[in-house]
Amino acid sequence: EAGVTQSPTHLIKTRGQQVTLRCSPISGHTSVYWYQQALGLGLQFLLWYDEGEERNRGNFPPRFSGRQFPNYSSELNVNALELEDSALYLCASSRGTSGGTDTQYFGPGTRLTVL
Amino acid sequence: QQQVKQSPQSLIVQKGGISIINCAYENTAFDYFPWYQQFPGKGPALLIAIRPDVSEKKEGRFTISFNKSAKQFSLHIMDSQPGDSATYFCAASRMDSSYKLIFGSGTRLLVRP
Repeated sequence: EAGVTQSPTHLIKTRGQQVTLRCSPISGHTSVYWYQQALGLGLQFLLWYDEGEERNRGNFPPRFSGRQFPNYSSELNVNALELEDSALYLCASSRGTSGGTDTQYFGPGTRLTVL
Repeated sequence: QQQVKQSPQSLIVQKGGISIINCAYENTAFDYFPWYQQFPGKGPALLIAIRPDVSEKKEGRFTISFNKSAKQFSLHIMDSQPGDSATYFCAASRMDSSYKLIFGSGTRLLVRP
């Protein structure tokens, strides 16, 4: 069974630009979660999608947005990039049956560097 | 009230020793406490999880101890091995269809040979 996949692996952008990160969940999983992991920090919850709907949102500005497609894959969009957006962005998926207590399976992440 | 506080930030243990990582929470509604393990260049992976109806759960060399009254839980790694060197995250959530998983700040464990 294929795991969670994310693309691209690495990305370098400049301040003010926009970026789109992509995530494909494990087959059969309907929930997708996005986290930001800045250097030396823990996982900060960004967004949670289930069955195409936004289920929960973390304490991030509106320039962080996303969506989930009918095939359950997801995109994370970040507009007007700032230097502090440099981080590893992790996507996770789960079966979507037990809410916050679902086991989340993580992808390898996308490393975003903002110059 | 939504925070999960994790300590220590880093830990060095000799091979064969016991590694202990502690977490504390404030929200008494939490009823699910997983631990995730992350190796460099990889995403975190679920290691072991516990619910508050038990005080301890053991899987191989990994044990979670849970103290509901103190609102604390800890991960013990017995007979620590160099292959256990990774970053460990505790987390907490509750049985609610829309409640997110809240992570601690992580502990970087190094097991010396």
